[in-house]
Amino acid sequence: GENVEQHPSTLSVQEGDSAVIKCTYSDSASNYFPWYKQELGKRPQLIIDIRSNVGEKKDQRIAVTLNKTAKHFSLHITETQPEDSAVYFCAASRNQGGKLIFGQGTELSVKP
Amino acid sequence: DADVTQTPRNRITKTGKRIMLECSQTKGHDRMYWYRQDPGLGLRLIYYSFDVKDINKGEISDGYSVSRQAQAKFSLSLESAIPNQTALYFCATSGAGTGRPDTQYFGPGTRLTVL
Repeated sequence: GENVEQHPSTLSVQEGDSAVIKCTYSDSASNYFPWYKQELGKRPQLIIDIRSNVGEKKDQRIAVTLNKTAKHFSLHITETQPEDSAVYFCAASRNQGGKLIFGQGTELSVKP
Repeated sequence: DADVTQTPRNRITKTGKRIMLECSQTKGHDRMYWYRQDPGLGLRLIYYSFDVKDINKGEISDGYSVSRQAQAKFSLSLESAIPNQTALYFCATSGAGTGRPDTQYFGPGTRLTVL
């Protein structure tokens, strides 16, 4: 069935360093890949997304890359700040507005 | 997002009890979802509904049922709660007719403990 694998499960970086989180999906028909951020005690919120017709997308300090051939996509955060500390989830979907299959989550800790 | 609300926010119950979690939204979205979150397992889809007459099972629907009472309301029931249903439950919505049909907006969550 559809599956999304996310690594690493935890990631600790120094403030100012970069962080990379990787996901692999199984359903080759997937065409939409969002990333959600969940701060402690809060709800998940969308931070960036990418569609299968695009290889990379940037929004200030965050970027997402997609390799359709290898069926994996990654989140890149540059110049990390303590407020980037949170759990990040990747997800994949095959239909516009359809159900999302989430990865297991990565707990990012940015140390000042 | 205050537009998506969940009640109750916290609930402690006993094994065998019937529990209903409720979700309401004022976003005018047609699609609604129920997830559970467990440490290390991410967000797993329980049920989803693309409109009032459309209900679909997700990855882990066993032991759960849902009701879409109106476009704005989607309830999740545990007919006979068991301890391994202890989790954080999230409702989410998305709108097929909006400019961002893929974006899901989450409620604040309901923390359920089954003793």
